[in-house]
Amino acid sequence: DIQMTQSPSSVSASVGDRVTITCRASQGISTWLAWYQQKPGKAPELLIYVASTLQSGVPSRFSGSGSDTDFTLTISSLQPEDFATYYCQQSNNFPFTFGGGTKVEVK
Amino acid sequence: QVQLQESGPGLVRPSQTLSLTCTVSGGSLTSGNNFWSWIRQPAGKGLEWIGRSHTSGNANYNPSLKSRVTISVDSSKNQFSLKLNSLTAADTAVYYCAREPFASFDIWGQGAMVTVSS
Repeated sequence: DIQMTQSPSSVSASVGDRVTITCRASQGISTWLAWYQQKPGKAPELLIYVASTLQSGVPSRFSGSGSDTDFTLTISSLQPEDFATYYCQQSNNFPFTFGGGTKVEVK
Repeated sequence: QVQLQESGPGLVRPSQTLSLTCTVSGGSLTSGNNFWSWIRQPAGKGLEWIGRSHTSGNANYNPSLKSRVTISVDSSKNQFSLKLNSLTAADTAVYYCAREPFASFDIWGQGAMVTVSS
């Protein structure tokens, strides 16, 4: 299985901050990477797919980049509704696998 | 817009079989070229992909569960289902159904909490 390692596991930030989350794959996955946001008690929501394509309806403050093994999710100016847990997911190989999550908390 | 809703028992006995159904509303399960997936999340933990199926019958499963899992699609009912047998406490989780149009999951159900306990 391809292991997806996210860092940091948690980050404390304030409204207006720029937040960057990284995701590293244990082997190359081209750009077959997606990012999700999950709030407590809710299902995950798709933010970005194929590494850098913004899902319809997702605010432009979210952006994704990277290829092969190293990827980043950036929130350019953190908003109150962005405090949540973020997951990366690869779909280059079966089984599809997720990162362990990054919790964005209030500083 | 398309919505997904999981249904099934909240409590299942050890060694028994879990059966969950995901009902698709607001659109047809057969439209587009989508796969239909199941994903689970133990309390306080991360996400695990269980497997997926296409209306063509093509299915893929997580090898860690492959011997115990079946995912099937019923186009006539606009539903797809998950069967997981030989349950243990380790299968206790929130189970999500999701649509996969292009290598990612764009629509999710609200989740169904399943507890395995005697």
